[in-house]
Amino acid sequence: DAKTTQPPSMDCAEGRAANLPCNHSTISGNEYVYWYRQIHSQGPQYIIHGLKNNETNEMASLIITEDRKSSTLILPHATLRDTAVYYCIVRVVGAGGTSYGKLTFGQGTILTVHP
Amino acid sequence: DAGITQSPRHKVTETGTPVTLRCHQTENHRYMYWYRQDPGHGLRLIHYSYGVKDTDKGEVSDGYSVSRSKTEDFLLTLESATSSQTSVYFCAISGSGDTDTQYFGPGTRLTVL
Repeated sequence: DAKTTQPPSMDCAEGRAANLPCNHSTISGNEYVYWYRQIHSQGPQYIIHGLKNNETNEMASLIITEDRKSSTLILPHATLRDTAVYYCIVRVVGAGGTSYGKLTFGQGTILTVHP
Repeated sequence: DAGITQSPRHKVTETGTPVTLRCHQTENHRYMYWYRQDPGHGLRLIHYSYGVKDTDKGEVSDGYSVSRSKTEDFLLTLESATSSQTSVYFCAISGSGDTDTQYFGPGTRLTVL
C-alpha cells in the first residue's frame, strides 16, 4: 500500500470547517483513499473513502486531487466531539478470496477542536 | 455502528497464563481481523479470517493463535501470555468485494503482569 503523509496536529475552532490534508504521491490506480478516526480509547471509526471522485456523506466530505496524489478530509462544522486522531490510508479494495486489502495505520493527525 | 462486540473489555493476567479474547459480530460479514495497538506503532494486524475455519497470519502473529468455528465469532488466544503482549486489542470485520470497508469493535485492554 502507498505511504501517506499527514501533519502531526491541527487545531480548529468549534463550528468552523476542519480541513485535514493527506499526501499520497505514490498511490496506484487500484488504491482507494480511506479516512478513519480514533477518539481516545475507542476503536477506529470509519469516516469515508473514495477512488478519484469527490465523496460526501453525513460525516464528512473527501476531496481528491485530479492527479490523486493528495486529498483533503473536510468536517464542515467541527464540534468538540470531533477531537480525535484522524488517519488517512490508501489501500487496495476488493482483492477477495484469501486476500484482503491491507489496512495500514500511520501516525495520523491529532485534531483538536476548541471552543 | 456495526454490530461488533468484544469480550472481555478489560483483563489483567499473569505471565505464562493462557488468555482468550472473543470477537462477536451480528453483521454476517465474511472477513474478521485482530489488531493490536501500542504507542508508537499504530495498529498492527495479528491474524485475520476469510471464512469459517479459514485464517491466516498478519504481520505480528508470533505468540498468538486464532480460531473461527462460526461466522459470528473470532477468537484470539495467547497460549502463554508475556508482558510484551500487554496492549489494546481491536477486532474488525468487513464484507468482501468493493464494499470491504473494515469496521472496528470497541477494543479489549489486556495487561500482562
